[in-house]
Amino acid sequence: EVQLVESGGGLVQPGGSLRLSCAASGFTFSSYWMSWVRQAPGKGLEWVANIKQDGSEKYYVDSVKGRFTISRDNAKNSLYLQMNSLRAEDTAVYYCARDQLYLGGDYWGQGTLVTVSS
Amino acid sequence: DVVMTQSPLSLPVTLGQPASISCRSSQSLVYSDGNTYLNWFQQRPGQSPRRLIYKVSNRDSGVPDRFSGSGSGTDFTLKISRVEAEDVGVYYCMQGTHWPPITFGQGTRLEIK
Repeated sequence: EVQLVESGGGLVQPGGSLRLSCAASGFTFSSYWMSWVRQAPGKGLEWVANIKQDGSEKYYVDSVKGRFTISRDNAKNSLYLQMNSLRAEDTAVYYCARDQLYLGGDYWGQGTLVTVSS
Repeated sequence: DVVMTQSPLSLPVTLGQPASISCRSSQSLVYSDGNTYLNWFQQRPGQSPRRLIYKVSNRDSGVPDRFSGSGSGTDFTLKISRVEAEDVGVYYCMQGTHWPPITFGQGTRLEIK
């Protein structure tokens, strides 16, 4: 059974940093692109970033470029999102998803809440 | 960036009646390989998103056949033939043709009338 479990969310002050993790199991992690998608409270879905199987390609939405870094450790079956210079507008539930690229995420985690507030 | 526009944003439906959600893209979603990467997601209250349909009309495993997708170019539709109580939630279209960025519609909230 495919499982994606996010962790690392919490309350952080504006300008602060947070690192999200996503532990994957039930599939060959190194064979899939992976994505982060976020959802602000009461709002819709916003794609944040994705990463190729070997980590050689990474893409970001403009609003997080230069502040967020997506990475992965295939030996640990884990996906990460390093978030720096956080802003109030980054407040959201962050989901990791197994990415079928053009087809979107076919499996999603339960999400982890990030709150940026003083 | 490709803008995805859904309508209606709110959809009250009587149990057992059909429902239809429209999704329009700001440019054609036909990719150079001939495929059209328009996908639909369902998000039930308090749950993570779940993909229902990929490449316009292909249902994911386990998705009831009362869900169907159609369309081409820039105009797409998700139809539910007979709405059931478990269908309550928000539905999103998503384009994967012109990325980055991958973009979603605003969402359509389906509720039981």
